[in-house]
Parts: sequence; C-alpha cells; structure tokens
Amino acid sequence: GAVVSQHPSRVICKSGTSVKIECRSLDFQATTMFWYRQFPKQSLMLMATSNEGSKATYEQGVEKDKFLINHASLTLSTLTVTSAHPEDSSFYICSARAGGGSFQETQYFGPGTRLLVL
Amino acid sequence: AQSVTQPDIHITVSEGASLELRCNYSYGATPYLFWYVQSPGQGLQLLLKYFSGDTLVQGIKGFEAEFKRSQSSFNLRKPSVHWSDAAEYFCAVGLAGGTSYGKLTFGQGTILTVHP
Repeated sequence: GAVVSQHPSRVICKSGTSVKIECRSLDFQATTMFWYRQFPKQSLMLMATSNEGSKATYEQGVEKDKFLINHASLTLSTLTVTSAHPEDSSFYICSARAGGGSFQETQYFGPGTRLLVL
Repeated sequence: AQSVTQPDIHITVSEGASLELRCNYSYGATPYLFWYVQSPGQGLQLLLKYFSGDTLVQGIKGFEAEFKRSQSSFNLRKPSVHWSDAAEYFCAVGLAGGTSYGKLTFGQGTILTVHP
C-alpha cells in the first residue's frame, strides 16, 4: 500500500523555538494532506487540511499563525510549530490522500512525530 | 456535531479468543465509517470501511465490522485473535457535508492486549 513518512519521529526543543515537521507521500501524489494532533490517551484531533498549492484550512480553535502549514508539492507538506511552548507538546500525525475528496480515496497515515517542548 | 465513542479504553483477550470492539457514532446523515489500527512506531492502517450497501464489511487481517443504523454502531469483530493483533484501534466517521467534506472524526481508541 501507499507509504507516508514523517520526519523527525521525535523532537525535543526549548520553549520559544520553532519546529518543522515534514510529511511525505513516498509512492503517490497527495492532492490533500491532513494534520492531526493526538494527546495521550485521547483521540486524533484534526488541526488542518491542506491542498497542494493553496492555503491550508484550519479547524476551529487552531491558531493558524502558530501552526504554519505549507503544501508546496504533491509529495510534501510541512507543519511548523512557531514559538513552541510546553503546552504544544503532543503527538503530531499527518495523512495523505491522492484524490480530490471522495471517500473512495483512502487516507494514508504517517507514523507520527512526538514533540516535547521544555 | 458529529462524534464517535469507543466505550472500551482497554480490552484484554487470550490468543485464539474472539474479539469485538465497540463503536458508536452520532451523525445527522448517513455516515462513512472506518476502522484503523495503530501499532507503536507505525502509522494508522485502514482495516475496513463502510460507505453503503452490505452492512457487513470484510477487511484485512481477518477483521469484519457490521453497520447497524438502528443502534448507530459499527462494531469491529474477529473470530480468533492472534498475538500480532495487539495494538490500538480507532473507529472514525467521515464527514460528507459542506466544508467538512472528506474529514475524519476519530473515537478515543481501544487498546487491545493479547495474552498468550
């Protein structure tokens, strides 16, 4: 099946710094990519949806200036956590979908990135 | 608003025993339903999905799920569990309306432990 990678798998940073997380579709072109956040023992919460070449659409309550998303190519999307604080510590997961929006197009998930902000 | 509930946070079964993981959803229209499995260090993998038609859906790894509209449920089953099935399982509902089209809402997850 299709493979989605994330880099890094784990990152520790100091409060106030910015962290970039990459999400790549390795063997297919991803028209749409999704970014999720998962707190311990909780569900995945959708943060934003990005379509290649256009601005990301953020879910209610997600600060777009804090979580910058760029989907510059059909195989790469990046999430930058700007001026990270300890409350941003979480597990960030991306998914990618080849199609334009039909549920017939499966979302393929990356392995996640664990962010710890000290 | 739509929601997905997985009542069991943690389930333990013996290898070879049958398994049923519960999932209930709240959604105003016909849902698109999914079950995913997440193993440590790996991404979520799609086990099966329901869009329409036959309410009993077959998936990979010997899993099946049944959509019951009257109970707003989409329970996952496997007749005989293998040790390699130990993982966390997520039920999800897909949104098909308006600006929410294509988005997934996930349940809280059920951790499955398998005893030898």
